[in-house]
Amino acid sequence: NAGVTQTPKFRILKIGQSMTLQCTQDMNHNYMYWYRQDPGMGLKLIYYSVGAGITDKGEVPNGYNVSRSTTEDFPLRLELAAPSQTSVYFCASTREGQPQHFGDGTRLSIL
Amino acid sequence: AQSVTQLDSQVPVFEEAPVELRCNYSSSVSVYLFWYVQYPNQGLQLLLKYLSGSTLVKGINGFEAEFNKSQTSFHLRKPSVHISDTAEYFCAVSEAGTASKLTFGTGTRLQVTL
Repeated sequence: NAGVTQTPKFRILKIGQSMTLQCTQDMNHNYMYWYRQDPGMGLKLIYYSVGAGITDKGEVPNGYNVSRSTTEDFPLRLELAAPSQTSVYFCASTREGQPQHFGDGTRLSIL
Repeated sequence: AQSVTQLDSQVPVFEEAPVELRCNYSSSVSVYLFWYVQYPNQGLQLLLKYLSGSTLVKGINGFEAEFNKSQTSFHLRKPSVHISDTAEYFCAVSEAGTASKLTFGTGTRLQVTL
């Protein structure tokens, strides 16, 4: 079982560039999430989705966009990369009342 | 709004000694509680969970935690740690009916030495 798969694992961007972080899960989970992890800050929720076509903002959504066209995929889009978006990004999935399953993360540096 | 406090940012301990990592939460409704472990350059792995029922829950790698509703705590314990337990540990809470969204604590770095 692949679980939650994130690509790429590492990326360096220049300020102002855009990119999409990919996330796919093969567990038929209806809930999916994007978090960012900064040193000493724990994980903060960026966006989440309760099913295909339904997305909502989390705690730190500014500068990001998401879409959910299928149950399996939940890409995260950075339109105009800024140094403050340097972080480790984690995608997760689950169903109601169950623990979240996490991907291995994408390490993003913006210079 | 829910919140999670992990009181210790770092916990140094000798191998084979017991350890307790503290976690307190605030919420006005029913909660689900989780402990996750993160090894260097890896994702988060579930250690244990409290969803309902017995307040003492056992997880992987010999860890256990006790849900204390009156003290709003969910402390993680292990009677004898190993070098391989060195990692970052995160406590997280989810409120019932909120699409299983998690609020995380800031993490506790467990450093086990010989």
